[in-house]
Amino acid sequence: NAGVTQTPKFQVLKTGQSMTLQCAQDMNHNSMYWYRQDPGMGLRLIYYSASEGTTDKGEVPNGYNVSRLNKREFSLRLESAAPSQTSVYFCASIFTSGQGILAYGYTFGSGTRLTVV
Amino acid sequence: KQEVTQIPAALSVPEGENLVLNCSFTDSAIYNLQWFRQDPGKGLTSLLLIQSSQREQTSGRLNASLDKSSGRSTLYIAASQPGDSATYLCAVRPAGGNNRLAFGKGNQVVVIP
Repeated sequence: NAGVTQTPKFQVLKTGQSMTLQCAQDMNHNSMYWYRQDPGMGLRLIYYSASEGTTDKGEVPNGYNVSRLNKREFSLRLESAAPSQTSVYFCASIFTSGQGILAYGYTFGSGTRLTVV
Repeated sequence: KQEVTQIPAALSVPEGENLVLNCSFTDSAIYNLQWFRQDPGKGLTSLLLIQSSQREQTSGRLNASLDKSSGRSTLYIAASQPGDSATYLCAVRPAGGNNRLAFGKGNQVVVIP
């Protein structure tokens, strides 16, 4: 089925280890986003990519890097994991077509549950 | 900065009652507003999308209204069922800029059989 696919679904890391969370969409969306969700904090934007070849920081970018590999794929990298990065990570995408085209909503992946010990 | 508030944070209702979930936002300059459902340990599922020019959207037992000028949206779920138990999230897409969604923290709903 068309949608946003995230891998892995679960991961346990030791402090200081690195890993990359993968996200891919097959809906020809041009904008992609990484969020983290923590109890009591809601969803917070880490990084986003408005179009292929561009990336920008969101609310909580520290400790993360991203790569927009192509139009379909947007990865999130933790270079040196910390316990504060224990969270559920969601990737989302949307089709945007300039100002005035308002019709579209966001599609989310099913999440990656990351624990850093 | 756009801020989104959802009240109540949690509620329990007996099966069969209608559910009313409220979302308010501080900046009325929006493209659209989207309601999501999230089950425990799961991702977000889109329920309804309301454009800024619309007053409401309906899908089955769900109806969402939008009053942009007052910064409010309401999600109605008719004749609630135990399967409606979930967290409901409201998200606003601000007009202009970078399409970054502003999320509320959710309404956690339990429907009691």
